Amino acid sequence: KAGVTQTPRYLIKTRGQQVTLSCSPISGHRSVSWYQQTPGQGLQFLFEYFSETQRNKGNFPGRFSGRQFSNSRSEMNVSTLELGDSALYLCASSGVAKPETQYFGPGTRLLVL
Amino acid sequence: GENVGLHLPTLSVQEGDNSIINCAYSNSASDYFIWYKQESGKGPQFIIDIRSNMDKRQGQRVTVLLNKTVKHLSLQIAATQPGDSAVYFCAEKKGGSYIPTFGRGTSLIVHP
Repeated sequence: KAGVTQTPRYLIKTRGQQVTLSCSPISGHRSVSWYQQTPGQGLQFLFEYFSETQRNKGNFPGRFSGRQFSNSRSEMNVSTLELGDSALYLCASSGVAKPETQYFGPGTRLLVL
Repeated sequence: GENVGLHLPTLSVQEGDNSIINCAYSNSASDYFIWYKQESGKGPQFIIDIRSNMDKRQGQRVTVLLNKTVKHLSLQIAATQPGDSAVYFCAEKKGGSYIPTFGRGTSLIVHP
């Protein structure tokens, strides 16, 4: 099975812009979670989608949003980018058989200038 | 690398030694624990997991030990190799939740 894929792998934006990141889960996985990883804060949970519905949400401002499509692919969007949004954004998927085990993609490295 | 921060604990070992990476978890209601390995430039990779009804679980060259009394988790890597150099994260999941909580990570450096 192919693993979790994320596009793009690298992105440079300027403050005030918006960005959309994409994630394709492992085939058959219906849950997709998004995390922000920074050296100072570690791995922080953004939100989780299951069957096109947001099932869980972390403590991030409303500038961070996401969605999931019927094929389980997911996107996350960050509007009005701030310098502090520079981070590695990771997507993870899990299957119905073992929902607590998440498998991560390689991440999208976002740099906000 | 992107995972090394000022506050990340570091463990340095020689190739061939056994490594033990420790993790203290916070929630006594956690019922599932996972260890991940993250190499520079990559996403976390699942290594091994353990449920709270077990004390020990073995994989290939890795063993996870769970001590619920003191809320402590450890990952033992036998015959550590340079390819084991990475940041290792423990994660805990509370019963009824789908989302694990990740620890800060430990950087393992293996010297040839």
